Amino acid sequence: QKEVEQNSGPLSVPEGAIASLNCTYSDRGSQSFFWYRQYSGKSPELIMFIYSNGDKEDGRFTAQLNKASQYVSLLIRDSQPSDSATYLCAVNGEAAGNKLTFGGGTRVLVKP
Amino acid sequence: GAVVSQHPSWVICKSGTSVKIECRSLDFQATTMFWYRQFPKQSLMLMATSNEGSKATYEQGVEKDKFLINHASLTLSTLTVTSAHPEDSSFYICSASGVRFTDTQYFGPGTRLTVL
Repeated sequence: QKEVEQNSGPLSVPEGAIASLNCTYSDRGSQSFFWYRQYSGKSPELIMFIYSNGDKEDGRFTAQLNKASQYVSLLIRDSQPSDSATYLCAVNGEAAGNKLTFGGGTRVLVKP
Repeated sequence: GAVVSQHPSWVICKSGTSVKIECRSLDFQATTMFWYRQFPKQSLMLMATSNEGSKATYEQGVEKDKFLINHASLTLSTLTVTSAHPEDSSFYICSASGVRFTDTQYFGPGTRLTVL
């Protein structure tokens, strides 16, 4: 069973709309949660991290964490074509030291 | 802040040769560096974790004699692919975490290796 699950997509979103990405994880002891963006042929780029339950906003991005449901999400408001990329959810588990467990990624396509 | 560089960005080599990839943290001290490999349309695969001054810890299935990792300083780690073969062709990416943010990994731009 995969430890971090994401819908592979593609998630097709009209320009200007909200893109909603979901991620579930299996390790209840997980402490830190990260969203990375990866453009095709490039390395991952950190977008946000979240440690506490609730919402965290940074510009057009909002991360939401619900530890009871073992669920973390990313909202992208006012989606732009430049947001078209694969979004990776990563989790740092208590037992994993400082290693990250990555989900398979969700591919997002923002259509003009 | 938290900039990680990699060199070279791409390399083409003949089968049987060795290739060294450098990973540097430019504006922070990286207590831990990670090496990943990514094949086309696949997710990141962690190869090994290295702490400054210590031997690297390799993930299951990764040959430590083939992928030599050295983390000699708080700003530099190297990955050497020894006796490279075409199946080693891949996108190699390093990441680093530092003292101030021990659980956050910042990625380098990656090195694309092609073995002929």
